[in-house]
Amino acid sequence: QSALTQPRSVSGSPGQSVTISCTGTSSDVGGYNYVSWYQQHPGKAPKLMIYGVSERPSGVPDRFSGSKSGNTASLTISGLQAEDEADYYCCSYAGTYILVFGGGTKLTVL
Amino acid sequence: EVQLVESGGGLVQPGGSLRLSCAASGFTFSSHYMHWVRQAPGKGLVWVSRINGDGSATSYADSVKGRFTISRDNAKNTLYLQMNSLRAEDTAVYYCARGMGITTVYTDYWGQGTLVTVSS
Repeated sequence: QSALTQPRSVSGSPGQSVTISCTGTSSDVGGYNYVSWYQQHPGKAPKLMIYGVSERPSGVPDRFSGSKSGNTASLTISGLQAEDEADYYCCSYAGTYILVFGGGTKLTVL
Repeated sequence: EVQLVESGGGLVQPGGSLRLSCAASGFTFSSHYMHWVRQAPGKGLVWVSRINGDGSATSYADSVKGRFTISRDNAKNTLYLQMNSLRAEDTAVYYCARGMGITTVYTDYWGQGTLVTVSS
């Protein structure tokens, strides 16, 4: 149950696009289409942004999109806005009813 | 409105025990998987445990297996986490989270968390 690998930080200017990667193994990310992404602002609870690799829950802007290739999932945020500045976590099913999170990525909007 | 309110956190000595509770409202509690996720100060999210709707199936992260027990009381709409043999590395904010729909792999609502500090 090793944590998925995410970059510690990414940054972008308002209006730009950024992509956050999430690398696992064939036992988690690569083995199932059960990847989700969470946004967490300081002192707040996480919020589900993407599930099922690329599906958006109701209310999440379509600026947020997800994808997966092999053992790596990605979250892309286009048209960056100041309120997007937060920590982002990927999460994957890892078999036998276990979930594993990534280490988290701090997004800075310059 | 879906609400999840955790309680029971506090300061406990290494080797001690604590029981966390999560009071749920605004949805049919028994229809959803429930999860516990923790976050050490300044660190990332770590999945801890999950339980199915009727409480008959549970799973745990290796780091807590044999020490923590998840349970639920559907009559009281409450989720629990019994934590025994606590260690310093268990210090974290503990969140309860609702499983999304009928799945066990996503969580769509989270509480605000309760802080557990394990220290002498």
